Amino acid sequence: DAGVIQSPRHEVTEMGQEVTLRCKPISGHNSLFWYRQTMMRGLELLIYFNNNVPIDDSGMPEDRFSAKMPNASFSTLKIQPSEPRDSAVYFCASSPSGRGAVGNTGELFFGEGSRLTVL
Amino acid sequence: GQNIDQPTEMTATEGAIVQINCTYQTSGFNGLFWYQQHAGEAPTFLSYNVLDGLEEKGRFSSFLSRSKGYSYLLLKELQMKDSASYLCAVRDASNYQLIWGAGTKLIIKP
Repeated sequence: DAGVIQSPRHEVTEMGQEVTLRCKPISGHNSLFWYRQTMMRGLELLIYFNNNVPIDDSGMPEDRFSAKMPNASFSTLKIQPSEPRDSAVYFCASSPSGRGAVGNTGELFFGEGSRLTVL
Repeated sequence: GQNIDQPTEMTATEGAIVQINCTYQTSGFNGLFWYQQHAGEAPTFLSYNVLDGLEEKGRFSSFLSRSKGYSYLLLKELQMKDSASYLCAVRDASNYQLIWGAGTKLIIKP
């Protein structure tokens, strides 16, 4: 069974350019999460969706960041314009349950991540 | 406030036992997770505790004391492949979201 699939794995871009990261969650999972990981700040939750609806985007750094989930099998995280401080590894994760799950740990399944470098 | 503390780095010897501690303060508690993350890779799920006590899974065990806000991950018969970062995360009962620790980098020496 395929895990969470992210693309691209690596992206190097120049400041000011638009960056789009993509994620395909595990089929049947109804929660999707976007995380950012840096050495300085560790894992930070940016936004999460439940049944394709954004539930909490309080972690999105600023208006330059946006995320969409048009259907249950696809999500994007867009940064426009990108800045050097956005350089990080961006992880997408999915979970088979959302709030109040019974009989399920609600563990997260992470994709391999997209390593973004903004010059 | 919400806070999770774990040591930044630990070193252990191949074949030995190591215990990685995690203390937490959260407004509500709905379970504690341990994840393993090898360098350059994604975090992978190791264990989940929601009730007090010890959960054993092969060479790895995880313990929880809710009254003390404390957990540990115990790794036995250490192997070189256990060199990784170990992340403690607590699920907040109010919003069901994970609060992550900064991770403990475990270095295994021959």
